[in-house]
Amino acid sequence: SQTIHQWPATLVQPVGSPLSLECTVEGTSNPNLYWYRQAAGRGLQLLFYSVGIGQISSEVPQNLSASRPQDRQFILSSKKLLLSDSGFYLCAWSLRTNEKLFFGSGTQLSVL
Amino acid sequence: QQQVKQSPQSLIVQKGGISIINCAYENTAFDYFPWYQQFPGKGPALLIAIRPDVSEKKEGRFTISFNKSAKQFSLHIMDSQPGDSATYFCAAASGDTGRRALTFGSGTRLQVQP
Repeated sequence: SQTIHQWPATLVQPVGSPLSLECTVEGTSNPNLYWYRQAAGRGLQLLFYSVGIGQISSEVPQNLSASRPQDRQFILSSKKLLLSDSGFYLCAWSLRTNEKLFFGSGTQLSVL
Repeated sequence: QQQVKQSPQSLIVQKGGISIINCAYENTAFDYFPWYQQFPGKGPALLIAIRPDVSEKKEGRFTISFNKSAKQFSLHIMDSQPGDSATYFCAAASGDTGRRALTFGSGTRLQVQP
């Protein structure tokens, strides 16, 4: 069966510090991968999606970047965090031919 | 631009009652409409989904009603239980195979009181 791992679960970082969140998927090949952000009390905002290694599409211009160094690995990064980067970050995957999304357990990021 | 509008923002229902959450969309290219359920501190999980070729889909106590002409769809939870207390998101998908992406509504926080 397929599983998705996302870590860390919680993270507190000072403003201006770097960020690296990692997500890996097991049990499937060539998945589409996604990073979403959920601000407190708000919906899910698509940040990045990837249809293959090195292929990243950005949905919202921002302080963040994403990379996919391996087929089942997706990384969300920032060189300098802003207060507005605080939120609940969710990694998700889907089959290439299916729009059903399977989410990880999320990372609660607090930038202070 | 909010492409999927969801209401209400929060909802309180008594145990055994019916919970109704509504969504409306503008983009006629949307062709897949799922609902996700999210418990605190967890990622959302797919609950039920519908495609526009049917007007209703039922799975247990959960029903999606879809009105293509009005560009609206809703989630009905029959016999609501305290365990249903969660945040519910509607969503809509469009795009070619391999590049489909979901657009989510803003979420509804449901509380079912015992």
